[in-house]
Amino acid sequence: SQTIHQWPATLVQPVGSPLSLECTVEGTSNPNLYWYRQAAGRGLQLLFYSVGIGQISSEVPQNLSASRPQDRQFILSSKKLLLSDSGFYLCAWGKGANTEAFFGQGTRLTVV
Amino acid sequence: KQEVTQIPAALSVPEGENLVLNCSFTDSAIYNLQWFRQDPGKGLTSLLLIQSSQREQTSGRLNASLDKSSGRSTLYIAASQPGDSATYLCAVRRAGGAQKLVFGQGTRLTINP
Repeated sequence: SQTIHQWPATLVQPVGSPLSLECTVEGTSNPNLYWYRQAAGRGLQLLFYSVGIGQISSEVPQNLSASRPQDRQFILSSKKLLLSDSGFYLCAWGKGANTEAFFGQGTRLTVV
Repeated sequence: KQEVTQIPAALSVPEGENLVLNCSFTDSAIYNLQWFRQDPGKGLTSLLLIQSSQREQTSGRLNASLDKSSGRSTLYIAASQPGDSATYLCAVRRAGGAQKLVFGQGTRLTINP
């Protein structure tokens, strides 16, 4: 069966520090991968998606970047965090338009 | 631009009641609609996926319907239990492009024992 792992579960970082959140998927190959952010009162917002290794598309301009160094690994990064980067970050995967999307357990990021 | 709205934002009912959660979307060009459950501080758990060609899907006490032409979906929960308390999110997968999910703001459901 397929599983998705995200870590860390919680993170408190000072303003200006770097960020690296990791997501891996097991039990499938060539998944579409997504990073979402859930901010209080704003719902889930798609940040990045990837349809293959090295292929990253950004949905909104921001202080964050994403990379996909391996087929089932998706990384969310920042060189210098801002207070506004605080939120709940969710990684998701799917196999195509007609299939379910599955989400990880999320990372609660607090920038102080 | 696809917009998804969920009404009500919050709902509190006594245990045992049947209830309906509503989801509406503005653009009918979708592949499918997915209902999720989110417990506080946790990720999303997929409940039901309903394809654009389908009218409804059932899983246990849950039944989701889809009327694509009118841009509406409902999630029916039968015989509600305290364990059903959570936030319920609907999301539509738009046709073309990234095939991304566009989410509603969710309905926070509380089932009182």
